[in-house]
Amino acid sequence: ETGVTQTPRHLVMGMTNKKSLKCEQHLGHNAMYWYKQSAKKPLELMFVYSLEERVENNSVPSRFSPECPNSSHLFLHLHTLQPEDSALYLCASSPTVTGWGTEAFFGQGTRLTVV
Amino acid sequence: AQKVTQAQTEISVVEKEDVTLDCVYETRDTTYYLFWYKQPPSGELVFLIRRNSFDEQNEISGRYSWNFQKSTSSFNFTITASQVVDSAVYFCALSEAYTGANSKLTFGKGITLSVRP
Repeated sequence: ETGVTQTPRHLVMGMTNKKSLKCEQHLGHNAMYWYKQSAKKPLELMFVYSLEERVENNSVPSRFSPECPNSSHLFLHLHTLQPEDSALYLCASSPTVTGWGTEAFFGQGTRLTVV
Repeated sequence: AQKVTQAQTEISVVEKEDVTLDCVYETRDTTYYLFWYKQPPSGELVFLIRRNSFDEQNEISGRYSWNFQKSTSSFNFTITASQVVDSAVYFCALSEAYTGANSKLTFGKGITLSVRP
């Protein structure tokens, strides 16, 4: 069983659809993250959660709505997306969010295509 | 603001060659951490190494070695005797050691390494 699991692995959705990405971590970590990885661009941090509380929202459009019901699960709800939102969405977790160089552990990502 | 530059975008080598992946960073902080991650075709980022700003000792782990030079703000990664399984995208990242609730990683754009048999 991998440490951070994301489902689905691939998702194709129309611009009027509503879908959700799921992330689950089995590492006992307190912090979880959503990153967006677009072609030829650095990974972009979208949201940070610490103990189920959102501590950072990096100017992400409201068509992306995160939810963290507990420290092991993180969702990203999607609605009325644009084609430029097509990307690999990566979930990560770390023991704490307050740094001291703690590395993040990543899931395999959800490859999202908006048509 | 933090910034990580990986000037090389794609590198192709033949198996058994040595290859160095460059990373240059910018930060105003005196205390920070540097990381390298590997992203194989399966997608997940795999943690390779963490280095704090007070430790400039080079590190070797098997075929991997890292050269941290604070004077040039560089944290380069060398793979010795490369293998086909080393083919992946490699990311360098920087984080501040403590920023309250908002510690986060700043990533470079990544270097795509292809190792040909």
